[in-house]
Amino acid sequence: NAGVTQTPKFRILKIGQSMTLQCTQDMNHNYMYWYRQDPGMGLKLIYYSVGAGITDKGEVPNGYNVSRSTTEDFPLRLELAAPSQTSVYFCASSPRTSGVPLGDTQYFGPGTRLTVL
Amino acid sequence: AQSVTQLGSHVSVSEGALVLLRCNYSSSVPPYLFWYVQYPNQGLQLLLKYTSAATLVKGINGFEAEFKKSETSFHLTKPSAHMSDAAEYFCAVSDSTDKLIFGTGTRLQVFP
Repeated sequence: NAGVTQTPKFRILKIGQSMTLQCTQDMNHNYMYWYRQDPGMGLKLIYYSVGAGITDKGEVPNGYNVSRSTTEDFPLRLELAAPSQTSVYFCASSPRTSGVPLGDTQYFGPGTRLTVL
Repeated sequence: AQSVTQLGSHVSVSEGALVLLRCNYSSSVPPYLFWYVQYPNQGLQLLLKYTSAATLVKGINGFEAEFKKSETSFHLTKPSAHMSDAAEYFCAVSDSTDKLIFGTGTRLQVFP
């Protein structure tokens, strides 16, 4: 199993450009997450999905959009890049299957380092 | 609302010394607690987690953590540090919808 894969590894954008960060998992996990990591701030949840066709906002969703058409893929879209979106982005998935929180482990991808100039 | 506080953004130890990384949580319900490790330029990897079974939790690479409800703490320890333990460590609590709330991280340096 490859686990959670993310592309690209690095990207530099100009202000106002758009891009899609790709995330794919091969573990048949229902739950998927997007986080951003800023220095000294830990990880903040951007969006998450509990299954194909279902997405919801996390703590910091402004400036981002997501879709979930398949179990495997969970792309993150930046429409109008801003310097405040310079960050490292992590995708994660978990095997959670029920509505009851059970402390399921989240499995993380290697990250995408994005710089907006 | 759940929250996590990690005391000390940087911790330095000598190789062979005890590692102690502190984490205190705030939760209105019995929490699920996690420690993740991030090696340079990599994603996060689970070290261990507490899910209301044994209060002393053993993880990978010789790490362990003890859940202390009276102190609302979940400190991470390792008896003897190795150079390979140098990384950033994150404590996290799972909220009522199973989303993770992360602390701000502690960077561990290990000196020879």
